[in-house]
Amino acid sequence: KNQVEQSPQSLIILEGKNCTLQCNYTVSPFSNLRWYKQDTGRGPVSLTIMTFSENTKSNGRYTATLDADTKQSSLHITASQLSDSASYICVVSDFSGNNRKLIWGLGTSLAVNP
Amino acid sequence: DGGITQSPKYLFRKEGQNVTLSCEQNLNHDAMYWYRQDPGQGLRLIYYSQIVNDFQKGDIAEGYSVSREKKESFPLTVTSAQKNPTAFYLCASSFLAGAETQYFGPGTRLLVL
Repeated sequence: KNQVEQSPQSLIILEGKNCTLQCNYTVSPFSNLRWYKQDTGRGPVSLTIMTFSENTKSNGRYTATLDADTKQSSLHITASQLSDSASYICVVSDFSGNNRKLIWGLGTSLAVNP
Repeated sequence: DGGITQSPKYLFRKEGQNVTLSCEQNLNHDAMYWYRQDPGQGLRLIYYSQIVNDFQKGDIAEGYSVSREKKESFPLTVTSAQKNPTAFYLCASSFLAGAETQYFGPGTRLLVL
């Protein structure tokens, strides 16, 4: 069964600290993996998208990594800010690229405290 | 100012009533989607449309209906057949159906009176 599992479920860090969120998937065959940020009560916003051949991709203070062999991805946030408080969702699509086949993780809820 | 808009932000439904959620985009995207988000669950696809006058059921289409008469608009009707409609509804669009990144609206929260 195609699944996307994220850990931890929730995380609290102090402003200025770094953190890493994990995503493990069993989707096969794999097409691409996206990380979205969702503020409370808002729609998700895309942070990064990576295909099979990409190992790392950065978007400002956000850096995503992908290991297609172990089917793991991580999202590293550097020098966290209060505005980073949100849910971070990992989404994997299969080889067909069919948006109907997007597998959404449950997200990691991040709270950045002053 | 390009983007995708949803209205209303909050919507209340009475027993046995149909309600329609609006979704409009001016991004010139061909594909549009409706998702439902419940606490503790990932986004679930209700319906999607790859082109005007065509749409396909997603994973949880029962109790919902859609139309795609214009490229810019993809309204979702929550019918009385949907017995548990309380949720956060998200509309999204993408340039093409496929591996494209989806752009989401701000969402509509539907509550049952």
